[in-house]
Amino acid sequence: GAGVSQSPSNKVTEKGKDVELRCDPISGHTALYWYRQSLGQGLEFLIYFQGNSAPDKSGLPSDRFSAERTGGSVSTLTIQRTQQEDSAVYLCASSLVWAGGINEQYFGPGTRLTVT
Amino acid sequence: AQKVTQAQTEISVVEKEDVTLDCVYETRDTTYYLFWYKQPPSGELVFLIRRNSFDEQNEISGRYSWNFQKSTSSFNFTITASQVVDSAVYFCALSAHPNFGNEKLTFGTGTRLTIIP
Repeated sequence: GAGVSQSPSNKVTEKGKDVELRCDPISGHTALYWYRQSLGQGLEFLIYFQGNSAPDKSGLPSDRFSAERTGGSVSTLTIQRTQQEDSAVYLCASSLVWAGGINEQYFGPGTRLTVT
Repeated sequence: AQKVTQAQTEISVVEKEDVTLDCVYETRDTTYYLFWYKQPPSGELVFLIRRNSFDEQNEISGRYSWNFQKSTSSFNFTITASQVVDSAVYFCALSAHPNFGNEKLTFGTGTRLTIIP
């Protein structure tokens, strides 16, 4: 079946502009995660969704970052007033949560964000 | 807090050699999961293995094997008879379970493996 998809694959924006990054998880996966991969910080967790709720937002670096998920499916990560330090690859992952446990996370190809 | 250390930043070996990637973790939780992911040049993270803290059995999958030792908090990954296609960055990761359902991953800094033909 289809894997996790993300769009756009590349985004170049000017400092101070807002950007929206989209994630389409694997169908039926109720858990969704956003991570960021940058040269200076490595791979770091941003936010976790279970269904449409985000019980863990502890990784969001500032209040310029927000995310939502609708219909238990698509998620959007929004960065307002982008700064150069926001330049990174933003990765989305989803996993299946069921009564017997939790399955592994499957990652999308990422969105490479460049803030000029 | 959790921490994962991959001390080897870069490793280069000649094709067909065996290679071991080291991973050391820290957590105060008694229930946790350990993972290895592969990131080839294409960039997409590929899941390799997931182990829970109660299962210390070593695992073998083809040319890949994993050695989990709680006594040394290590979860090492060995590739036998390496191939050029194994060239990638490999990440070790940890997830603790204070709240069921949230398996957010704490990643190591990765080891870049280059297989020389």
